[in-house]
Amino acid sequence: DAGVIQSPRHEVTEMGQEVTLRCKPISGHDYLFWYRQTMMRGLELLIYFNNNVPIDDSGMPEDRFSAKMPNASFSTLKIQPSEPRDSAVYFCASTADRRRQPQHFGDGTRLSIL
Amino acid sequence: EDQVTQSPEALRLQEGESSSLNCSYTVSGLRGLFWYRQDPGKGPEFLFTLYSAGEEKEKERLKATLTKKESFLHITAPKPEDSATYLCAVQVGSLPGKLIFGQGTTLQVKP
Repeated sequence: DAGVIQSPRHEVTEMGQEVTLRCKPISGHDYLFWYRQTMMRGLELLIYFNNNVPIDDSGMPEDRFSAKMPNASFSTLKIQPSEPRDSAVYFCASTADRRRQPQHFGDGTRLSIL
Repeated sequence: EDQVTQSPEALRLQEGESSSLNCSYTVSGLRGLFWYRQDPGKGPEFLFTLYSAGEEKEKERLKATLTKKESFLHITAPKPEDSATYLCAVQVGSLPGKLIFGQGTTLQVKP
């Protein structure tokens, strides 16, 4: 079975540029999560969706960050404009709305803002 | 405030030397506790879910246990391939949404 697929795996861009991260969840999963991982703060939940609808975006750091889920098989996380402090590894995860189902993670996008 | 603390931050073991990793938590209403393994350059890989005090789960050389305040991940006779970062997370709220992760324990097993 295909797992959660993220692209790109690495992104290097200059400060001020727009960055778009992409995620394809596991087929049949109706919850999708975006996380950010840094050495200082560890793994933090940014936002999550249920049936393509944002449920909780309280972890989104500021208005420069936005996330969409136009359909059940695709989500994007956008940063505009990007800043050096946004440099981190961004993970997408998905799970099914059934009791006791764990979240399954993709391999992440390593983002470097110069 | 909901909090998850893992100790130690790093652990070095010789192959075959058993040990335990700790995850202590302070949350308002634990819905579940999850253990993940993370290899460099990879996403966290699910290991176990525990839901009630006294529950235990096992997989190969790993055994996870849960009390009302903490969870332990016991590693029996570890091998070099067990080297990884082990993450503990707690679920808060009724939806399968909010996981709060600890900072992780980085385990190195030397041959």
